[in-house]
Amino acid sequence: DVKVTQSSRYLVKRTGEKVFLECVQDMDHENMFWYRQDPGLGLRLIYFSYDVKMKEKGDIPEGYSVSREKKERFSLILESASTNQTSMYLCASRRAGGADTQYFGPGTRLTVL
Amino acid sequence: KQEVTQIPAALSVPEGENLVLNCSFTDSAIYNLQWFRQDPGKGLTSLLLIQSSQREQTSGRLNASLDKSSGRSTLYIAASQPGDSATYLCAVGEFTSGTYKYIFGTGTRLKVLA
Repeated sequence: DVKVTQSSRYLVKRTGEKVFLECVQDMDHENMFWYRQDPGLGLRLIYFSYDVKMKEKGDIPEGYSVSREKKERFSLILESASTNQTSMYLCASRRAGGADTQYFGPGTRLTVL
Repeated sequence: KQEVTQIPAALSVPEGENLVLNCSFTDSAIYNLQWFRQDPGKGLTSLLLIQSSQREQTSGRLNASLDKSSGRSTLYIAASQPGDSATYLCAVGEFTSGTYKYIFGTGTRLKVLA
């Protein structure tokens, strides 16, 4: 059974803190994605990665960075958290090529105070 | 720029009804289209994936159709049950600038009343 896991379901941080969100997949997928989901705005792509050490900006990369040192792990980093980064963060993975489905993790609800 | 719209935003039906959820997109040059289900506070679960060369896909009580030329997809749910209550999202797959990406609609929140 395919699985994408995220390090935390709920996270509360203070403004200015550095925040790490971790995502791990066990399907040997090449592609991994980070989205944020906000009411009325839907899912928006922050960053994605084609393969190890490769990353591409999505539609809303400002204020975020990513790291992919191993194939199974994709980390999202908020260098200095701000209140407007309070959101639901969803990680997904997919085989290379685009024809296959994306598999999503359970999400991390991040609140920045 | 691709835009994906889902109407209605919310829907409430009695148990047992057949229902149709709509998804429209502005650019017909899509790679595929996928329907997802999302329960409150949870991640997305894939329901059906339709490749651009296909017209429909079926899984159990679910049937999804795709009409690329008109920029529409529908998700048909037969004999709805309270367990079908969730938000349903459609996502259009594109290949642009050497990248495969999904563009998501904002979803239809479905409530099936017992």
